Amino acid sequence: DIQMTQSPSSLSASVGDRVTITCRASQGISNGLGWYQQKPGKAPKRLIYVASSLQSGVPSRFSGSGSGTEFTLTITSLQPEDFATYYCLQHNTYPWTFGQGTKVEVK
Amino acid sequence: EVQLVESGGGLVEPGGSLRLSCAASGFTFSDAWMTWVRQAPGKGLEWVGRIKSKSDGGTTDYAAPVKGRFTVSRDDSKNTLYLQMNSLKTEDTAVYYCTALNTILGATRVDYWGQGTLVTVSS
Repeated sequence: DIQMTQSPSSLSASVGDRVTITCRASQGISNGLGWYQQKPGKAPKRLIYVASSLQSGVPSRFSGSGSGTEFTLTITSLQPEDFATYYCLQHNTYPWTFGQGTKVEVK
Repeated sequence: EVQLVESGGGLVEPGGSLRLSCAASGFTFSDAWMTWVRQAPGKGLEWVGRIKSKSDGGTTDYAAPVKGRFTVSRDDSKNTLYLQMNSLKTEDTAVYYCTALNTILGATRVDYWGQGTLVTVSS
């Protein structure tokens, strides 16, 4: 199975900060990666698909990049509603696998 | 409006069985590859298993921890997805989400989630 290593596992940031989260795949997955945001008690919401395509309705401050084994989610100017947990999902090879999550907390 | 509504969760003893159902509406269910995802309390997301559309063969894939114990099936006449869980273990305790996870419908790559149903495995 492909392992997804997400870092950091948590970070503290302030409103307006630029935030970067990384996922590394244990083997190449082309552009088969998505990013999800989850708030407590809610189902996850997709932000990015096929590594860099922005989900309709998601603010443009979210962006994704990468290919192969290394991927990045960037939030250019953190907003109050962005404090949440973020997960990557590789959807290139079955079984699909999630990263372990990154909790973005208030500094 | 797309809806995925799970049911069937609850408390079950280790070694027991449970069947989850997911009623879908608002999209062409028969065309969608459907997936179950779970989340143990306070933990991350875990991909459980997926069933293809019948037109794509209707085959299934499973994560290693559930392979041989869990079965994903579908009834397109009822727009319903199922997860049959046998030989349950305490580590199967989780919220189970019914999803159309990153599936292609028409020309669009959609991503739909239900609200989740809690399964607790405990004696």
